Amino acid sequence: EIVLTQSPGTLSLSPGERATLSCRASQSVSSSYLAWYQQKPGQAPRLLIYGASSRATGIPDRFSGSGSGTDFTLTISRLEPEDFAVYYCQQYGSSPGITFGQGTRLEIK
Amino acid sequence: QVQLVQSGAEVKKPGSSVKVSCKASGGTFSSYAISWVRQAPGQGLEWMGGIIPIFGTANYAQKFQGRVTITADESTSTAYMELSSLRSEDTAVYYCARGSGYYSPPTYNWFDPWGQGTLVTVSS
Repeated sequence: EIVLTQSPGTLSLSPGERATLSCRASQSVSSSYLAWYQQKPGQAPRLLIYGASSRATGIPDRFSGSGSGTDFTLTISRLEPEDFAVYYCQQYGSSPGITFGQGTRLEIK
Repeated sequence: QVQLVQSGAEVKKPGSSVKVSCKASGGTFSSYAISWVRQAPGQGLEWMGGIIPIFGTANYAQKFQGRVTITADESTSTAYMELSSLRSEDTAVYYCARGSGYYSPPTYNWFDPWGQGTLVTVSS
């Protein structure tokens, strides 16, 4: 199965700064079938990005996704206080099934 | 706008089974896959399997093959996940989530929306 490795494990930044989160796959992710989610404590995950770079409905344009093959990036251009959370990447469309990265915690510096 | 509402928290003994429900409202149910994803305390997300209700055949992650059963009832727009032979490591929040594509197999989906989660605690 495809193993997704997210880095860094924890990212400490201040509001207004730019955040860059990485997701690396153990083998090529077909057709850029990669999604990103945000999860806050006690809440279900929320879809941010699908198809590596398409923003989900209602997601602010400060969130952007890029990448292909084995290297993918989620960028938050200017951090708002509500953006501090845990972020997960997910790959789909490969055998034997769906896998998630272990998560990156984005915390206030 | 589809909403998924899950059943309440459960406490189970090791070796027993648990069945969690996920009721959909406000949108098309039968033609989109419903998947189950779990999250152990302080841990990441783990896909367990999914089903397209209109077809009725589930796909399961290898790790859970033989221990999990995912079903769906089109008449009530409800999906179910039953996990058997429970052990302490199965203590987790279990989420249902709707897949992304019309008739798209569960393994080809991103997930939106998600249910609110159901905490299953396995303890003697």
